[in-house]
Amino acid sequence: DIQMTQSPSSLSASVGDRVTITCRASQSISRSLNWYQQKPGKAPKLLIYAASSLQSGAPSRFSGSGSGTDFTLTISSLQPEDFATYYCQQSYSTVWTFGQGTKVEIK
Amino acid sequence: EVQLVESGGGLVQPGGSLRLSCAASGFTFSTYNMNWVRQAPGKGLEWVSYISSSRSIIYYADSVKGRFTVSRDNAKNSLYLQMNSLRAEDTAVYYCTTVSARVYWGQGTLVTVSS
Repeated sequence: DIQMTQSPSSLSASVGDRVTITCRASQSISRSLNWYQQKPGKAPKLLIYAASSLQSGAPSRFSGSGSGTDFTLTISSLQPEDFATYYCQQSYSTVWTFGQGTKVEIK
Repeated sequence: EVQLVESGGGLVQPGGSLRLSCAASGFTFSTYNMNWVRQAPGKGLEWVSYISSSRSIIYYADSVKGRFTVSRDNAKNSLYLQMNSLRAEDTAVYYCTTVSARVYWGQGTLVTVSS
């Protein structure tokens, strides 16, 4: 299976900060990489698909980049509603695998 | 609007069985491959099973192989997960998802395996 390594596992940031989360695949996955936001008790919400395409309804402060094995999710200016856990997920293989998650907390 | 609604979760004893359902609407269900994904309390996301649109290709995670069976009824726009020989470690929220560029998720159904 393709292993997805996400970092950091948690971070503390302030409203207005620029935040970057990285995800590394154990082999090349082209651009088959999705990013999700999850809040407690809720289903994951798709933010970015195909590495850099913004899902309809997702705020434009979210952006994704990368290809091959290295990917990044950037929040350009952190808002109060962005405090949540973020996951990357590869869809290159039929057997999906996820990063372990990054919890974004209030500083 | 795409909707996926899971049902069938609940409390079951170790060794017991449960059947989850996922009702799909707002898209042509019969043309989509589908997944089940689960999340144990306080843990990350784990892929469980895949079924192709025509039911010809099925995959399972090693952790559930031989105990879980995925199926679908395209006439009823429904996806199922039959879970047998349940263990405490199967306790999780179970989500059905589309396999598509833009992945759609249901709201999840909680399965608790405990005596």
